[in-house]
Amino acid sequence: SYVLTQPPSVSVAPGQTARITCGGNNIGSKGVHWYQQKPGQAPVLVVYDDSDRPSGIPERFSGSNSGNTATLTISRVEGGDEADYHCQVWDSSSARVVFGGGTKLTVL
Amino acid sequence: QVQLVESGGGVVQPGRSLRLSCAASGFTISSYAMHWVRQAPGKGLEWAAGISYDGSDKYYADSVKGRFTISRDTSKNTLYLQMNSLRAADTAVFYCARKPMAAAGTLFDSWGQGTLVTVSS
Repeated sequence: SYVLTQPPSVSVAPGQTARITCGGNNIGSKGVHWYQQKPGQAPVLVVYDDSDRPSGIPERFSGSNSGNTATLTISRVEGGDEADYHCQVWDSSSARVVFGGGTKLTVL
Repeated sequence: QVQLVESGGGVVQPGRSLRLSCAASGFTISSYAMHWVRQAPGKGLEWAAGISYDGSDKYYADSVKGRFTISRDTSKNTLYLQMNSLRAADTAVFYCARKPMAAAGTLFDSWGQGTLVTVSS
């Protein structure tokens, strides 16, 4: 089965740039989607199809995807960005939705 | 506006059954693929099941296949998850989620607030 690998945690100071990776075999050939989840809340879509943003999501959130790694980049990090971030793909070979293990972003 | 409200969670003994419901408003589920995603306490998200927009195709994670059944009642605009032979490992918050109509791939643009299922004797 297809596996997505995320670092358990990432820490960044306010105003700096956070990069959260999502690794998978030839993930660059798949569409990658990213969700933000704050404690006790449902996930919220922040980037879809590798690099597109839903309406209402700040331009500070961006994404890229190539080779075996997709990356969510959060520029000018704010305290309100502290959350868990989950990457997700559709594995067409198995007809399954796959999530990464999630990354906890801590704003120092 | 789009709203998804789950219900039916609770405490259940191992081996027993439970049916979750997800009432949709602000849109018609007969036009959208719908899914269930679960999250065990302190863990990441795990996809459980999905149903195509027309109800003709159903998909299941290996961990629930043969035990869980996804269905819908378009007259009630409600999605269901019938869960049988429950195990302690099924303990989780269960979310229903909507796939956007225009999306080529499977992603989720709307989520409910979740309902907690606890499997314990």
